[in-house]
Amino acid sequence: DQQVKQNSPSLSVQEGRISILNCDYTNSMFDYFLWYKKYPAEGPTFLISISSIKDKNEDGRFTVFLNKSAKHLSLHIVPSQPGDSAVYFCAATSLQGAQKLVFGQGTRLTINP
Amino acid sequence: DAGVTQSPTHLIKTRGQHVTLRCSPISGHKSVSWYQQVLGQGPQFIFQYYEKEERGRGNFPDRFSARQFPNYSSELNVNALLLGDSALYLCASSLGPLSVYQPQHFGDGTRLSIL
Repeated sequence: DQQVKQNSPSLSVQEGRISILNCDYTNSMFDYFLWYKKYPAEGPTFLISISSIKDKNEDGRFTVFLNKSAKHLSLHIVPSQPGDSAVYFCAATSLQGAQKLVFGQGTRLTINP
Repeated sequence: DAGVTQSPTHLIKTRGQHVTLRCSPISGHKSVSWYQQVLGQGPQFIFQYYEKEERGRGNFPDRFSARQFPNYSSELNVNALLLGDSALYLCASSLGPLSVYQPQHFGDGTRLSIL
């Protein structure tokens, strides 16, 4: 049972344009959401997070939007830069208990010059 | 400041053997979690330890075990290795379960290959 889904395995975007990565979840107990970025041969790097009490969080070029009724979140990167090319993972957790992260399958983002 | 460090970086084993993977958390972090990432998938939660006690366990067989030491470093042990155990094993550390969520920070992982 895939509780967190990223339905786009890959995405290609022109440099300078907006990149939008999407993520859906099914478990209503999730109350905190994160995005991680992963380069080859490195571990995932924390990018940005959002609590379920908010619908938007912004950090520089990165903005995460949360739509609780649709159980959907998205990551916007603007403007996209070549260094943003990586695999992006959406993750969800509950603040109760072990706070384990449940990850989506990842989306490979390629920024074209 | 040093990040999360894992050793070894790569390991090759044969079916039936056992393996021990090691993790040192970021200084000051008391919680360590282990994840398994199979090719093409996102990381899957295996264990979480906080203050040397198991706080959570994922859906993995009893062949998988872990422990946390007084200096907050951790070991993941896998017995009777199967071909399906081939994966990247990631360790993550955080300050611990607080009222405000503290993001987990990952090491670069140990790539385990089973022949």
